[in-house]
Amino acid sequence: GAVVSQHPSWVICKSGTSVKIECRSLDFQATTMFWYRQFPKQSLMLMATSNEGSKATYEQGVEKDKFLINHASLTLSTLTVTSAHPEDSSFYICSVNVGLVKNPYEQYFGPGTRLTVT
Amino acid sequence: TQLLEQSPQFLSIQEGENLTVYCNSSSVFSSLQWYRQEPGEGPVLLVTVVTGGEVKKLKRLTFQFGDARKDSSLHITAAQPGDTGLYLCAPGNEKLTFGTGTRLTIIP
Repeated sequence: GAVVSQHPSWVICKSGTSVKIECRSLDFQATTMFWYRQFPKQSLMLMATSNEGSKATYEQGVEKDKFLINHASLTLSTLTVTSAHPEDSSFYICSVNVGLVKNPYEQYFGPGTRLTVT
Repeated sequence: TQLLEQSPQFLSIQEGENLTVYCNSSSVFSSLQWYRQEPGEGPVLLVTVVTGGEVKKLKRLTFQFGDARKDSSLHITAAQPGDTGLYLCAPGNEKLTFGTGTRLTIIP
């Protein structure tokens, strides 16, 4: 498996400011990480695929200029919410994909970051 | 997009009861995964089913993959408060597109 951490676990920011969320793979070198967003009482929605050393791939409807993703090393991906607005308040979760012989795809998730924009 | 509908959306039952939740789609999947998410945490993988008709057991949890590999069910026997959480299904792809989820509450 993989142990994934996120920082911060929660953050409050003012409308119009930017906030950076870190996702670290502590024991696995991840060429790919994923970012999800989850609104209250809802399921997780995939936002983007973070690729080490190259540009992120965004899902349809996700603004790449608003949600900046940087994957500069095999253990760290960051998500920056730029010019945050109250509607960006959500639970942001990252994951690492571990390929195994028996189960080709297993994802291990971070504990999430709760963002509140006031 | 492979849309996965989960039912029921919400379920609240007494400790000790049995329950079944469902994950349905019109698409065929090579594999399907179930995750459980507890409040304020990330999801945790419970099981991956691969073969049509496959049944996997994880203690009191029984997972079944439909014969046509379009749907799956999760049956919990003698539910306990520790089973409380959001249950999510997703195709076992590199990119996960989760189902709508079932939020389960077990009342002590």
